[in-house]
Amino acid sequence: NAGVTQTPKFQVLKTGQSMTLQCAQDMNHEYMSWYRQDPGMGLRLIHYSVGAGITDQGEVPNGYNVSRSTTEDFPLRLLSAAPSQTSVYFCASMARWNGLAGSPNRNEQFFGPGTRLTVL
Amino acid sequence: KQEVTQIPAALSVPEGENLVLNCSFTDSAIYNLQWFRQDPGKGLTSLLLIQSSQREQTSGRLNASLDKSSGRSTLYIAASQPGDSATYLCAAHRNDYKLSFGAGTTVTVRA
Repeated sequence: NAGVTQTPKFQVLKTGQSMTLQCAQDMNHEYMSWYRQDPGMGLRLIHYSVGAGITDQGEVPNGYNVSRSTTEDFPLRLLSAAPSQTSVYFCASMARWNGLAGSPNRNEQFFGPGTRLTVL
Repeated sequence: KQEVTQIPAALSVPEGENLVLNCSFTDSAIYNLQWFRQDPGKGLTSLLLIQSSQREQTSGRLNASLDKSSGRSTLYIAASQPGDSATYLCAAHRNDYKLSFGAGTTVTVRA
């Protein structure tokens, strides 16, 4: 399994440009989420999804859109980039515990390698 | 709102010393608590997950404890090595699967 993959690794945008950060997982996880990490702060939740076709907002959703058309993919769209969106973005996924013996560790979340975004 | 705090922000120890990393949270109604390691410029690697019904978890030289009543978790790393140098993050799971993260403790193990 490749786990959680993210592309691109690095991106530089100009203010006002739009782009999509890609996230994919091959573990058949129902739950996926996007976080941003800024210096001196903990990771903050942007958007999350509990399954294909279902998305919801996290703590800092403004300026970002998501969709979940498949279980595997959860892209994050920046509509009109701003310097305040300069950050490192992480995608995460999780298998929801089903209570059966041998099932995945209860709600352990796995993270991708991140996308470092700079907005000029 | 769940607030998670990690103190100190940075720690430097000589090789061989035991490491003690602290994590505190404000809402004791957490679902699980997860510890991560982050190397510079890299993603997060899951180290240990403690379920709310457990008091501790162990993996090799790592041991994490959870005391929900006092709002604390502690990560112990025995006999530290230079390869343990990294930032360690704790995250409290809420019942709705969302994570609340601390800002991390950056550890340097001196050879």
